[in-house]
Amino acid sequence: EVQLLESGGGLVQPGGSLRLSCAASGFTFSSRAMTWVRQAPGTGLEWVAGIGGSGGWTKYADSVRGRFTISRENSKNTLYLQMNSLRGEDSAIYYCARGVTADTIWYLDVWGRGTLVTVSS
Amino acid sequence: DIVMTQSPDSLAVSLGERATVNCKSSQNVLYSSDNKNYLAWYQQKPGQPPKLIIYWASTRESGVPDRFIGSGSGTDFTLTVSSLQAEDVAVYYCHQYYDAPHTFGQGTKLEIK
Repeated sequence: EVQLLESGGGLVQPGGSLRLSCAASGFTFSSRAMTWVRQAPGTGLEWVAGIGGSGGWTKYADSVRGRFTISRENSKNTLYLQMNSLRGEDSAIYYCARGVTADTIWYLDVWGRGTLVTVSS
Repeated sequence: DIVMTQSPDSLAVSLGERATVNCKSSQNVLYSSDNKNYLAWYQQKPGQPPKLIIYWASTRESGVPDRFIGSGSGTDFTLTVSSLQAEDVAVYYCHQYYDAPHTFGQGTKLEIK
C-alpha cells in the first residue's frame, strides 16, 4: 500500500525553526517528484514547495522562498521541509504529496494525513 | 503566479440533483505542445487530506465514480457531480500545475439541501 506519513510538527515561537519529515512507503520513492502543501485552519490549500525525484531541482512559493528548504533522502525514502524564520502566517497543517513522475510534479495522486505546525509565542 | 478563482464559494444541492463547480484561471493552462489542460480537481472531506478526483481537466482518477465529470479548456473549467450522493459532501479544489508555483482555487463547499 502506498503511504506517506508526516512528522515533526509542533508549537514553535516566531522566528524559530522546525524540520518536517515525510516517510514514504509502498512505491519507488526516487521515481516521483514530491511536494509540500499547507492548509491554515479553516482555509484553503497552498502549494509550498516541490522537488524532483533525484533532488536535482526545487521550486518554492514566493511566501516561503528564502526561509524554507525542501530536500529528500532517497536512501531513506524520506522527504524533508526545513522551515526557518517562522511567522504566525506559517501556522498550518503541512501535507506531503506525491507527484506523478520523477521530473515533473503535475497533479498530486497520493497525500499524507498531515502534521500541524503552530507558530505562536 | 496564476490565480485560480472558484465559484460559488458554497453550494447546496438536493440528493440526486446536479452540482456544478466552476474554476477560472488568470492565465491559459492549456499547453500547446501536448494539447493538455494542466488542471486537476480534489475532494476534501472534514478531517481528511485532499483526494485527487480529476486530472488533465477531464480524466477521472481510478476508483472515482463516473458521476464526477470534469470539463473545460484554456482558462475556464467545470466540475460536475451529475447526481449528488450524501458521501459527496466535501470541499472541492481546482489546482493548476501548468506553471510553478502551482496554485489552488479557494475551494467550494458542497452541501446537501
